[in-house]
Amino acid sequence: GIQVEQSPPDLILQEGANSTLRCNFSDSVNNLQWFHQNPWGQLINLFYIPSGTKQNGRLSATTVATERYSLLYISSSQTTDSGVYFCAVPPGDSNYQLIWGAGTKLIIKP
Amino acid sequence: EAEVAQSPRYKITEKSQAVAFWCDPISGHATLYWYRQILGQGPELLVQFQDESVVDDSQLPKDRFSAERLKGVDSTLKIQPAELGDSAMYLCASSYRAGGSYEQYFGPGTRLTVT
Repeated sequence: GIQVEQSPPDLILQEGANSTLRCNFSDSVNNLQWFHQNPWGQLINLFYIPSGTKQNGRLSATTVATERYSLLYISSSQTTDSGVYFCAVPPGDSNYQLIWGAGTKLIIKP
Repeated sequence: EAEVAQSPRYKITEKSQAVAFWCDPISGHATLYWYRQILGQGPELLVQFQDESVVDDSQLPKDRFSAERLKGVDSTLKIQPAELGDSAMYLCASSYRAGGSYEQYFGPGTRLTVT
């Protein structure tokens, strides 16, 4: 089945820094989602981005489907950006379900 | 903005007791998912509904877990009897068709502690 790998596994930054999180997937996909899990455990949708680039405030994401990766950019980090960032893609035989990466744990220090 | 509702947010129960979680998806979302998440890991799908029908429950421990979505709207996940290893976050999500695929939206979760 499809494999999803995220890097780095952990990232510690000072407030105001920029960061890039990466998601690699082993097969072609027609859907990719980025989520932020906050310290209280809620999963928040960031982007639905099967291809191309999207921006939402300080966050942007780019998926290069032909090269099987996606990048999440966070600019001018704030302490509220702390948490775990997951990417997820559907397996080849289903558009309903998601295969999850292991996540990148981001800590923003004040 | 419409949200997925879950209750309770926190539940502490003793092992061997029964526990139930409730989820109300975003209006109009035909697909509903229950996930379990162990701290530090990604969510694991337990069961998926399309309207009132179960599409996939292959990862649901059916000896103790049950799930229903009788009218195709809200859903209940039950554990009976609870075991210590069931301590986890239980997440509900719903999805709608976005282009050729399905974008999932998650509720706030229920954090279960079994003592």
